[in-house]
Amino acid sequence: DAMVIQNPRYQVTQFGKPVTLSCSQTLNHNVMYWYQQKSSQAPKLLFHYYDKDFNNEADTPDNFQSRRPNTSFCFLDIRSPGLGDAAMYLCATSRGTGRLAGDGQYFGPGTRLTVT
Amino acid sequence: KQEVTQIPAALSVPEGENLVLNCSFTDSAIYNLQWFRQDPGKGLTSLLLIQSSQREQTSGRLNASLDKSSGRSTLYIAASQPGDSATYLCAVRRRETSGSRLTFGEGTQLTVNP
Repeated sequence: DAMVIQNPRYQVTQFGKPVTLSCSQTLNHNVMYWYQQKSSQAPKLLFHYYDKDFNNEADTPDNFQSRRPNTSFCFLDIRSPGLGDAAMYLCATSRGTGRLAGDGQYFGPGTRLTVT
Repeated sequence: KQEVTQIPAALSVPEGENLVLNCSFTDSAIYNLQWFRQDPGKGLTSLLLIQSSQREQTSGRLNASLDKSSGRSTLYIAASQPGDSATYLCAVRRRETSGSRLTFGEGTQLTVNP
């Protein structure tokens, strides 16, 4: 089945130690998104890629970076994780933006990040 | 700035009841509205997607309506089951010249008791 895959499902890192989360998709969608979701809160968009074009949200901390080496993969890099970065990180995809996104966004199962 | 509100924040019902979850948004310039289900510690599962030109969508025991002019959507769940227990999130996709963003509500946590 076509899907969005996130690895690992659970990640534990130490305060200040760089960590990378991975997302892959078999949907061949143009757009990939990274969201941060803290407990009992709504998902918050960090950034998204439309093909190779990177779009950062204005309030996304510099500590968060992303890479998209090809259509299928997208990575979230946290350069120096703090305790406040502990959260669920959700990857999503869509066919395009605006009217091309008519079929909605498809989400992966998420990666739960713990910072010790 | 688009704001999405979901009421109630939590709901507990006995099995078999029909129930309605509410979602309201402040900016009616949207492309579509999506309802998601999230189980504890899991990702989001898309339940229904309503385009801005549509009034409702149905899937099994779920029915979602959209009144764009008043900025409201409802998710109706018929004959609720314990397996329906989860958090339900609504999200709207804004009309923008660039980028594509979903604005989420904070969800309604539903518990269906056997």
